[in-house]
Amino acid sequence: GAVVSQHPSRVICKSGTSVKIECRSLDFQATTMFWYRQFPKKSLMLMATSNEGSKATYEQGVEKDKFLINHASLTLSTLTVTSAHPEDSSFYICSARDPVGGAQPQHFGDGTRLSIL
Amino acid sequence: DQQVKQNSPSLSVQEGRISILNCDYTNSMFDYFLWYKKYPAEGPTFLISISSIKDKNEDGRFTVFLNKSAKHLSLHIVPSQPGDSAVYFCAAKSSGDKLTFGTGTRLAVRP
Repeated sequence: GAVVSQHPSRVICKSGTSVKIECRSLDFQATTMFWYRQFPKKSLMLMATSNEGSKATYEQGVEKDKFLINHASLTLSTLTVTSAHPEDSSFYICSARDPVGGAQPQHFGDGTRLSIL
Repeated sequence: DQQVKQNSPSLSVQEGRISILNCDYTNSMFDYFLWYKKYPAEGPTFLISISSIKDKNEDGRFTVFLNKSAKHLSLHIVPSQPGDSAVYFCAAKSSGDKLTFGTGTRLAVRP
């Protein structure tokens, strides 16, 4: 089945650091990937849609200069949280659009727990 | 503006009984609905889905019902097992394959 790998699974770093999270589709090509954020005991909120070879589309209220997205290949999208601060601490999850269009429109990674001290 | 809502934050069910999780939506443009199971610090795991042109889909112990006129869907799990204990999210798909998630329901299945 379609597999999406997300790395790292956990990051703890100091305030002001920039953090890069990778999302890879392992056995299929993904022209579109999605980035979500989940606060504790809350829903998954879509942050942006990442399109291979073009600029990402950000949801309302998401700072594009804060959350840099790059989708340079058909199997890799990256999310960089720039100059991270404690309020950026959250659980970030990526997904990749299913190219075949089966029962699942998206396949999810296992998420990254980001903790900013 | 929460377009997908799960009004019950938690549900406790006895093992072997039926679990019914509910979800309401407001956007009539949603054309596909899904249920996911999620554990803390993990990505969501797909369970079952249903197209807006259907009113029922069944897969083993899981059945999803869709009432378009009421903008309501539900997930039935029967019989419930302790391993089903998790947070369940419903999600609705709109154009561009974007998913809008509900607020989640924590299911606890008591042995």
